[in-house]
Amino acid sequence: TQLLEQSPQFLSIQEGENLTVYCNSSSVFSSLQWYRQEPGEGPVLLVTVVTGGEVKKLKRLTFQFGDARKDSSLHITAAQPGDTGLYLCAGGGFNKFYFGSGTKLNVKP
Amino acid sequence: EPEVTQTPSHQVTQMGQEVILRCVPISNHLYFYWYRQILGQKVEFLVSFYNNEISEKSEIFDDQFSVERPDGSNFTLKIRSTKLEDSAMYFCASRGGTSAYNEQFFGPGTRLTVL
Repeated sequence: TQLLEQSPQFLSIQEGENLTVYCNSSSVFSSLQWYRQEPGEGPVLLVTVVTGGEVKKLKRLTFQFGDARKDSSLHITAAQPGDTGLYLCAGGGFNKFYFGSGTKLNVKP
Repeated sequence: EPEVTQTPSHQVTQMGQEVILRCVPISNHLYFYWYRQILGQKVEFLVSFYNNEISEKSEIFDDQFSVERPDGSNFTLKIRSTKLEDSAMYFCASRGGTSAYNEQFFGPGTRLTVL
């Protein structure tokens, strides 16, 4: 089983602060996805990274895939209350995905 | 916008009973998945399905579980004899192609409660 460890598990910050969430594994993944999940709903894809060292930006969110394709990070600039939610990373091949345990982010106004 | 739908939204059953969870994937998608999420825990892969066959399954997906695409639109997960530990949110997902960039679209989930 390929394990994905996310840190921190919980993060509570003030509006306007920056933050970084990490996703680490001892295994190499062909691709890695970041999702956001709201309570009582299914995960919604934010981004997919495929190439080692790849950096993708989605407005105030910056995603990076490690050179060795074993780890990834999500950086949020100037966090807003609307960013509050559960952030999940998931990696795997086409037929099977492993999810991290998630980072629960709370952005206080 | 096309979406994955799941029914029922909440299913309550007695231990030992059979349940069927239903999913309608996005219409032109060919790759289907079931995941579960026990309350407070991570999302866990159960099974992937393509061309009327299981592509891959996890160690969770034992003989008590089965999947089927009975017609052109539905994708079902059956649990033959439910156990208390089967209580979880079950998510269906579908995907349109084989590229790593083809997004998995998740349904809203079915909350299964086994009493």
